[in-house]
Amino acid sequence: GAGVSQSPSNKVTEKGKDVELRCDPISGHTALYWYRQRLGQGLEFLIYFQGNSAPDKSGLPSDRFSAERTGESVSTLTIQRTQQEDSAVYLCASSLDRGGAGELFFGEGSRLTVL
Amino acid sequence: AQKITQTQPGMFVQEKEAVTLDCTYDTSDPSYGLFWYKQPSSGEMIFLIYQGSYDQQNATEGRYSLNFQKARKSANLVISASQLGDSAMYFCAMRGLGYSSASKIIFGSGTRLSIRP
Repeated sequence: GAGVSQSPSNKVTEKGKDVELRCDPISGHTALYWYRQRLGQGLEFLIYFQGNSAPDKSGLPSDRFSAERTGESVSTLTIQRTQQEDSAVYLCASSLDRGGAGELFFGEGSRLTVL
Repeated sequence: AQKITQTQPGMFVQEKEAVTLDCTYDTSDPSYGLFWYKQPSSGEMIFLIYQGSYDQQNATEGRYSLNFQKARKSANLVISASQLGDSAMYFCAMRGLGYSSASKIIFGSGTRLSIRP
């Protein structure tokens, strides 16, 4: 498809398990972002990849969270030893980063529920 | 450090009226970009409008316009002739454009707009 693709769309897991969320950005988009959105709240920045530059990891809430990106393609967000407070929708977005004006194109999100 | 503030958690507006959603920001970057996004109850994020800090004119896109007041560090979204379909969460966002590269995009806490028929 032409848009940002995220999988799984829904994930229910038990506290303490590890989860992996995947994002396929729009082809050619150099920038990729992960955000967390808790129910009824705003978007919390997690991590930003821009081309071959070192990622901006300043938003990752703890060392249980990590993310990787292969070149300018797929990214995975991994949450280890999940906690109930990790329950949220995890949104991925990509952009062309045209001198900063490139708008973000969002995926539909991965809804994570930790029991 | 960058910060985006949306002080209106919720607003109710009569259909066909104009509405202004407030957004203030803080940044130390010499230039920056400001965005507005709409999130309906379906959850998708829809880009509405963009304003660059050095743009000479305020951005407009159809019924959306951005009231950019640089000295006040505000970037309010104005929706003219509101429609029932405008009911949604609205997020203001900002990206710093530093001397060598663009930085992450951060979002405000959002305003829930409800349009009354």
